[in-house]
Amino acid sequence: NAGVTQTPKFQVLKTGQSMTLQCAQDMNHEYMSWYRQDPGMGLRLIHYSVGAGITDQGEVPNGYNVSRSTTEDFPLRLLSAAPSQTSVYFCASSYSGGFRGELPGTQYFGPGTRLLVL
Amino acid sequence: TQLLEQSPQFLSIQEGENLTVYCNSSSVFSSLQWYRQEPGEGPVLLVTVVTGGEVKKLKRLTFQFGDARKDSSLHITAAQPGDTGLYLCAGAIRTGNQFYFGTGTSLTVIP
Repeated sequence: NAGVTQTPKFQVLKTGQSMTLQCAQDMNHEYMSWYRQDPGMGLRLIHYSVGAGITDQGEVPNGYNVSRSTTEDFPLRLLSAAPSQTSVYFCASSYSGGFRGELPGTQYFGPGTRLLVL
Repeated sequence: TQLLEQSPQFLSIQEGENLTVYCNSSSVFSSLQWYRQEPGEGPVLLVTVVTGGEVKKLKRLTFQFGDARKDSSLHITAAQPGDTGLYLCAGAIRTGNQFYFGTGTSLTVIP
C-alpha cells in the first residue's frame, strides 16, 4: 500500500491564483481530513469527510473548498490564494473519526504540501 | 484560541533525563491521541486513550488521560536522541465530528 499520498510537495503561488492540492489513500478509509500547520499552532482542521459525497467544515474553512466524489480522493481547492494561506498542508485518513463515542481509528498522514503565497 | 494547550512549547534536555509534556483543555474529549512528528514528515500516531484515568505505556513513554477527560500527559523516562521531535496531542469532541490538535511541544534530546 502507498498509504496517503499528496501532490505537489512544494508550490509557490501569487496572490489571487487558484490551485488544487491532491490527496489520495489506498486503505479504503472512510474518514479523510485536511489540516494546515503553522508555527506554534499545531495542526488546525480545515475540512473533513466521513465518506464519499459527505464533507463538512473544520476550524478554519474560509478560503478553501473540498469535494469527495470517491472514497480514495479528497482534493483541497484554494479559489483565490492569499498570503495568509502560506502554510504546510497535511491530508489524513482513518477508518473512523473517533467522535460520538466510537473508538477513533489511527489517522495516517501524508507527507505534506508546502505552499508559499506571494 | 487553541482548544488544546500544550506545555512546554519547547524542551531541550540531556540524554538520560526524564520529562513530562502536558496537554490541557476546558473541554471534555471522547478520546485523545498523541502523535510524534519529525521534520519534513507528517505526524505518526503513538497512542490513543479513551477512558478517564487511563494509563498506557509504550516502552519508555507513559501516557495518562485525566479523570475528567479534559487533559493528558506524556512522560518519557531516560530520554534518548531518537525521541527528538514535535509531540502533538489531539482530541475528539464527544458531540462533534472534529479532531482538535494541540499547539505542540518541540523536544530536543542532546547526546
